[in-house]
Amino acid sequence: EIVLTQSPATLSLSPGERATLSCRASHSVDSYLAWYQQKPGQAPRLLISDASKRASGIPARFSGNGSGTHFTLTISSLEPEDSAVYYCQQRSNWFTFGGGTKVEIK
Amino acid sequence: EVQLVESGGGLVQPGGSLRLSCAASGFTFSSYSMNWVRQAPGKGLEWVSYISGSGRTIFYADSARGRFTISRDNGKNSTFLEINGLRVEDTAVYYCARGLYSSDYWGQGTLVTVSS
Repeated sequence: EIVLTQSPATLSLSPGERATLSCRASHSVDSYLAWYQQKPGQAPRLLISDASKRASGIPARFSGNGSGTHFTLTISSLEPEDSAVYYCQQRSNWFTFGGGTKVEIK
Repeated sequence: EVQLVESGGGLVQPGGSLRLSCAASGFTFSSYSMNWVRQAPGKGLEWVSYISGSGRTIFYADSARGRFTISRDNGKNSTFLEINGLRVEDTAVYYCARGLYSSDYWGQGTLVTVSS
């Protein structure tokens, strides 16, 4: 089983600041890495697929990077509505999710 | 408009069974793989099971193998998750989600509570 480790667990930043979220895989997942945003009481929403492809309707401030075992999700300029938990997910070997990073807006 | 609507959750005693359903609309259902993902209260996401568009390829998470059965009926645009021998630790919101390598559409989830 491929384990995904997300860091930090919590990120507290002000509107307009840059957020960088990390996802590390225990084994290479090539580029089969997706990022999701989940707000309380809602289903997850796909942000990024194939490590760097923004999903339909996702604002340009969200970007993904990486391949192999290290990936990042960057929110270039935080908006208040970006407060959520963010999960990475791999589809290289079965499916697994990371533990999530909670982004708080000050 | 793509829609996924889960149903079938509820309160069940330990050892009981449930059959969850996911009704799809707005796309050619048979062309898409489907997944079930669950989320225990206050916890993260856990992938449970996968079924290909034809239904011929099926995967289960280790935690689901042996007690969970995924299936689909392409004529009824639906996928199902049958859970037997329910345990307290199966308490979660169960989501169905569309996609092979990533899930671009998710249902709103159905809550399964296992308690005596």
